[in-house]
Amino acid sequence: DAGITQSPRHKVTETGTPVTLRCHQTENHRYMYWYRQDPGHGLRLIHYSYGVKDTDKGEVSDGYSVSRSKTEDFLLTLESATSSQTSVYFCAISGDNLETQYFGPGTRLLVL
Amino acid sequence: RKEVEQDPGPFNVPEGATVAFNCTYSNSASQSFFWYRQDCRKEPKLLMSVYSSGNEDGRFTAQLNRASQYISLLIRDSKLSDSATYLCVALNSGNTPLVFGKGTRLSVIA
Repeated sequence: DAGITQSPRHKVTETGTPVTLRCHQTENHRYMYWYRQDPGHGLRLIHYSYGVKDTDKGEVSDGYSVSRSKTEDFLLTLESATSSQTSVYFCAISGDNLETQYFGPGTRLLVL
Repeated sequence: RKEVEQDPGPFNVPEGATVAFNCTYSNSASQSFFWYRQDCRKEPKLLMSVYSSGNEDGRFTAQLNRASQYISLLIRDSKLSDSATYLCVALNSGNTPLVFGKGTRLSVIA
């Protein structure tokens, strides 16, 4: 299995609070991605990174920001969490061939 | 219209049955295709790639029809452990190349 971890694995928070999710990889892969997965919608890309300090928006980026200061870490921040951001969040990584993405175990976030 | 579309199912089949899933894609420039498997409350994992000539891996066969823009996955002799959601994935160009379908849920019943 690819060396990719996410923290925390579960989180309950209240509307309006900031939340940061961390993705950590030990594969030295260039590309990192944040997805959310919701029933009826499948996987939707939030933000992605193609190198240190190089990030871009995905399909559903509103309300989220990201940072990548090191190759191994990709942080996803919800500046002010809303109930619509209750979801399962997956981080993924891929090498230069971009063909295969390896996913982390996911973070279950509940915003009350 | 979603770029990659799948029948969400569920497909409920008995053990030992053969089951097939189809997936259609709208971007004719898509370069490659894959099937990922996702178990309940787990992360997606690559199951197999799909080539124009078709490819087989044990009980699993994947095929691509570029003319009709669909991909198929055939599972023979279904096992209980095959119960999962199967995601159809297309590879496009650019930094966000993988486009995921919403998945087809399979339940294999004893």
